[in-house]
Amino acid sequence: SQTIHQWPATLVQPVGSPLSLECTVEGTSNPNLYWYRQAAGRGLQLLFYSVGIGQISSEVPQNLSASRPQDRQFILSSKKLLLSDSGFYLCAWSVADRVTGELFFGEGSRLTVL
Amino acid sequence: GQNIDQPTEMTATEGAIVQINCTYQTSGFNGLFWYQQHAGEAPTFLSYNVLDGLEEKGRFSSFLSRSKGYSYLLLKELQMKDSASYLCAGMDSNYQLIWGAGTKLIIKP
Repeated sequence: SQTIHQWPATLVQPVGSPLSLECTVEGTSNPNLYWYRQAAGRGLQLLFYSVGIGQISSEVPQNLSASRPQDRQFILSSKKLLLSDSGFYLCAWSVADRVTGELFFGEGSRLTVL
Repeated sequence: GQNIDQPTEMTATEGAIVQINCTYQTSGFNGLFWYQQHAGEAPTFLSYNVLDGLEEKGRFSSFLSRSKGYSYLLLKELQMKDSASYLCAGMDSNYQLIWGAGTKLIIKP
């Protein structure tokens, strides 16, 4: 069966510090991969998605970046965090077939920037 | 622009029925999704509608009217564990999901 894991689950970082969130998927090949951010009272905001190794699409301009060094690994990074980067970050995957579109989410990473 | 509207919060009684409404405006349409999200956890998939009508899955049903840009999620025989946020999301012509802010459902005994 397919599984998705992301870490760390919780982190508190000072403004200006770097960030690295990691996500891995097991049990499937060539998944579509996504990074979302969820702010209180707002819908899920798509940050990045990837349809293959090294292929990253960015949905919003920001100080975050994403990389996909391996087929089932997706990393969200920042060189210098801002207060506005605080939130609940979710990694997700879907089958490469676009028709279904069902997303499978990781456990989430709660980031607090102080 | 693209938009998903759903109520912020609803309250219902254990054992009762509740209907959570969602209206959507997307650039093109490739389906409507409902997800359940318990507090502090990741969303989990509930249903997908792409054709008009009612899809039933156990205690949960989802309805779609494409002409009205409208969907609802119907929960029957409510249980305390159904207390969660319910997220509505529309898929646009680029197969991207547009998410609503979620409806927090509070179940009272």
